[in-house]
Amino acid sequence: AQSVAQPEDQVNVAEGNPLTVKCTYSVSGNPYLFWYVQYPNRGLQFLLKYITGDNLVKGSYGFEAEFNKSQTSFHLKKPSALVSDSALYFCAVRDGGNYGQNFVFGPGTRLSVLP
Amino acid sequence: SQTIHQWPATLVQPVGSPLSLECTVEGTSNPNLYWYRQAAGRGLQLLFYSVGIGQISSEVPQNLSASRPQDRQFILSSKKLLLSDSGFYLCAWGVGNEQYFGPGTRLTVT
Repeated sequence: AQSVAQPEDQVNVAEGNPLTVKCTYSVSGNPYLFWYVQYPNRGLQFLLKYITGDNLVKGSYGFEAEFNKSQTSFHLKKPSALVSDSALYFCAVRDGGNYGQNFVFGPGTRLSVLP
Repeated sequence: SQTIHQWPATLVQPVGSPLSLECTVEGTSNPNLYWYRQAAGRGLQLLFYSVGIGQISSEVPQNLSASRPQDRQFILSSKKLLLSDSGFYLCAWGVGNEQYFGPGTRLTVT
């Protein structure tokens, strides 16, 4: 069975500092990995995905994520945080070897960027 | 480009009343469609998904049902709402390896 863990319920970072939001996963086949962001009372917005290829994936708004197969992780990063990055972040995984398999989302991590 | 609509944006309903939330997708054909519920601004719970007209799979047995009367229309319903049905309901569509979300409906059952 697939699962996603986001070990940090909340991450606080000062504006201008680098940020990392952690995600680890478990999947039986090839992992397809995704990050989404949610602003208050809004739907989820797609940030980036890893399907295959380069382990470092670049996405929207200056975010990037690094796929680490040995550590089964897909941490979200940004070199310099903005106050406007404050939001709820979700990691998701899908089993790439099973087209019919749905996405499994992590519980979310609330990011607060302090001015 | 593809667009997903949900309405209403907010809804306040008394316990025991019926529910109908609608989701429509534009700019794509034969998408997979999903209903999620999000409680207290945290994790997503997959409620239903559909791979085609009239094809509905339920992930969690509960007081809700879903229907897909047209290729790009997905409806979430209930005959009698419970207090526990309150939450933020998100519709999503997916093709291939991507999934995109609508703006959501905030349901409060009083």
